[in-house]
Amino acid sequence: AQKVTQAQTEISVVEKEDVTLDCVYETRDTTYYLFWYKQPPSGELVFLIRRNSFDEQNEISGRYSWNFQKSTSSFNFTITASQVVDSAVYFCALRSYNTDKLIFGTGTRLQVFP
Amino acid sequence: NAGVTQTPKFHILKIGQSMTLQCTQDMNHNYMYWYRQDPGMGLKLIYYSVGAGITDKGEVPNGYNVSRSTTEDFPLRLELAAPSQTSVYFCATSRGDTYNEQFFGPGTRLTVL
Repeated sequence: AQKVTQAQTEISVVEKEDVTLDCVYETRDTTYYLFWYKQPPSGELVFLIRRNSFDEQNEISGRYSWNFQKSTSSFNFTITASQVVDSAVYFCALRSYNTDKLIFGTGTRLQVFP
Repeated sequence: NAGVTQTPKFHILKIGQSMTLQCTQDMNHNYMYWYRQDPGMGLKLIYYSVGAGITDKGEVPNGYNVSRSTTEDFPLRLELAAPSQTSVYFCATSRGDTYNEQFFGPGTRLTVL
């Protein structure tokens, strides 16, 4: 069975702090894809990044970085120097190569205070 | 390009009534999906479609129906609405390629009283 666990329900930080959102996944497949989405207070889901299971390179995009580790089945997301605009619910998701269905975690609500 | 649009944005439905949530995309994507998001939960897949004329059940299809007569439209029908269907409904599309990342509409907040 496939599963995505985001154990952190809610995180609060003060602006300029670094914060890491954890994502642990379960799958028996050797080929799969991982995703992060952001859901700001306005409600829409915004695609942030995708990773395939063969690419363990970490990725950095501005203040965002992602750490993919197959050994621990984790795909963690770090925001450096957080800003108030980063306040949102962040979802991690998993898709196996042989399905079109995304399995979502329950999300982590990040609140960044000024 | 509007991307994925959903109507209505909000709606209150009485128990036992029926309604259709509309989803339209101009991204020329083959794949379309309907999800529901309950408070504090992730998204659960209701139905999906890999092309016009083809639909399939997701994780939570009971109480819903879909049709896909065109590439652009993927309406979700609620028959005999129940309070358990109070939720935020998201439509999404994807190209159906290797990565197949999904792009979401703004959502419809539905309350059944």
